[in-house]
Amino acid sequence: GENVEQHPSTLSVQEGDSAVIKCTYSDSASNYFPWYKQELGKRPQLIIDIRSNVGEKKDQRIAVTLNKTAKHFSLHITETQPEDSAVYFCAAGPYGGSQGNLIFGKGTKLSVKP
Amino acid sequence: ETGVTQTPRHLVMGMTNKKSLKCEQHLGHNAMYWYKQSAKKPLELMFVYNFKEQTENNSVPSRFSPECPNSSHLFLHLHTLQPEDSALYLCASSATGPGANVLTFGAGSRLTVL
Repeated sequence: GENVEQHPSTLSVQEGDSAVIKCTYSDSASNYFPWYKQELGKRPQLIIDIRSNVGEKKDQRIAVTLNKTAKHFSLHITETQPEDSAVYFCAAGPYGGSQGNLIFGKGTKLSVKP
Repeated sequence: ETGVTQTPRHLVMGMTNKKSLKCEQHLGHNAMYWYKQSAKKPLELMFVYNFKEQTENNSVPSRFSPECPNSSHLFLHLHTLQPEDSALYLCASSATGPGANVLTFGAGSRLTVL
């Protein structure tokens, strides 16, 4: 089955710096890679996702890159702000259908210091 | 509100109690999920329902019993739990079929087993 490794587990950056979180996956059949953000005491929310037919996707200050050959994908946050502080989860699985087979990483706690 | 409502938000119970967690979604989704979120662990999928039918049960102990009376409601019945079952239990829903990828989570029910 799929296995998702996420690094680092904690990340602290200064406001304005960039943050990068990396995930690797094991199942080459996985073709959908979402990222969820969970603020303290709140629910996880999808912030960006990518399918395996593209290598990069951007949405304002966040971007995700995918290397299918190496089976890893990364979340990039530029010009970080204090409100970016949260736990970020990556996931991998098949595209479409129910999400019963999305496998999540352990999460990265990002702290942005003013 | 994101459209997925969970009650209660907090629950403390003894090991011999019987309680239930409730989840309700008004998004028109046909798939609903229970996840367990423990500290420093990945989100663990427990149960999946598609169109009210259980399609996945990830080796969850029988002391957790799901119920899905219709596509909008999902319950998790709890009995004779153990202290290690203390966690945040997240409900989620999604559409189904091609392109149906986004999980919408509820705010979670924080369970403490004494």
